Amino acid sequence: DTEVTQTPKHLVMGMTNKKSLKCEQHMGHRAMYWYKQKAKKPPELMFVYSYEKLSINESVPSRFSPECPNSSLLNLHLHALQPEDSALYLCASSQVMRQGAYGSTDTQYFGPGTRLTVL
Amino acid sequence: GQNIDQPTEMTATEGAIVQINCTYQTSGFNGLFWYQQHAGEAPTFLSYNVLDGLEEKGRFSSFLSRSKGYSYLLLKELQMKDSASYLCAGMDSNYQLIWGAGTKLIIKP
Repeated sequence: DTEVTQTPKHLVMGMTNKKSLKCEQHMGHRAMYWYKQKAKKPPELMFVYSYEKLSINESVPSRFSPECPNSSLLNLHLHALQPEDSALYLCASSQVMRQGAYGSTDTQYFGPGTRLTVL
Repeated sequence: GQNIDQPTEMTATEGAIVQINCTYQTSGFNGLFWYQQHAGEAPTFLSYNVLDGLEEKGRFSSFLSRSKGYSYLLLKELQMKDSASYLCAGMDSNYQLIWGAGTKLIIKP
């Protein structure tokens, strides 16, 4: 089972709203990721959690706030977003973030994404 | 700098074979991934290569040459459902994925 779930599928919000995106996996993966993807572009890494600790923040504006309540859940809290933040937000997970030996344990499995529109 | 290059778009015929090439430059190397992405959907993992050579998985195969910084994805017996974008991504020494812009594959009947 390589399933990562995300809710909601679609979200429309105003610039003054506060909303949250949720991601869940039950594969025992210890690394979880948030990506942002604009149309016809590759995914852009936003945040990485490794063993429930934030290990990478790719200079993301503070209006995006990640949270990892436990090893299965990852949230992205949104506040005061701009229209240019409209995109597909993807969650991914992998067994571990760093692996010393050859293997595919760093393969990232993606959730279906949340299509966010900021008005 | 780090860079992944792949063609923007390719067209092929149903039932035929197509090869999508990817060249990469990463700071360190921990493997090369291929993902398939249908429009509006999430990327789906296809293959991972870290050693030189060909990995075959059903109709899809992926090849890696580390000395040349080169990989390709080979799709055989093309089906209409194979119309999608194919993303090449290299994993660098920090175990981060460096993504190519994707190759949009159009399958014609």
